[in-house]
Amino acid sequence: AQSVSQHNHHVILSEAASLELGCNYSYGGTVNLFWYVQYPGQHLQLLLKYFSGDPLVKGIKGFEAEFIKSKFSFNLRKPSVQWSDTAEYFCAVHTGKLIFGQGTTLQVKP
Amino acid sequence: DAGITQSPRHKVTETGTPVTLRCHQTENHRYMYWYRQDPGHGLRLIHYSYGVKDTDKGEVSDGYSVSRSKTEDFLLTLESATSSQTSVYFCAISESSSPDTKETQYFGPGTRLLVL
Repeated sequence: AQSVSQHNHHVILSEAASLELGCNYSYGGTVNLFWYVQYPGQHLQLLLKYFSGDPLVKGIKGFEAEFIKSKFSFNLRKPSVQWSDTAEYFCAVHTGKLIFGQGTTLQVKP
Repeated sequence: DAGITQSPRHKVTETGTPVTLRCHQTENHRYMYWYRQDPGHGLRLIHYSYGVKDTDKGEVSDGYSVSRSKTEDFLLTLESATSSQTSVYFCAISESSSPDTKETQYFGPGTRLLVL
């Protein structure tokens, strides 16, 4: 069955720390990959997406993600987090339907 | 932001009561989706529509029905609400559904439903 796994369920960081959130998927066909962010009380917003080409994609607010096909992974990174990055982050894989990971709650301490 | 509105934004209802949630879009996108969001599960697809009067089931469709009589509106109905349907419901839209077209889904603001 197609699935998406986010390894970290709850991450707590101090401001200026580096962030990496893991995402792995199980599907052997063509995939499009997404990271969405949900700030407290708000709806999902697109953070970044990968369709093809350069496996390192840059998104909004200084986020980037790297697609490693051999590892079926699409990890999200940010070199220096801010308090305003406190949110829930969802990895999603589009295989014909959009399949979401369980989500990772990021708490950034000021 | 994509032109997607959901109504109501919050609702409290009792077990056994029918509930209808509305999603309205102004983007004229062909595809519309209903998801529910629950802790530890991310978002799960309930139903989706690929055109007027064309709908199909998603991963967690039991207890839900949908209707799409106009391109811009997609209704989700809980025929007889149960406490397990307490959740946050998100509508999404996209122009197509194939990965080959490199489409992105855009989400509405959500409806928080509490079934007592």
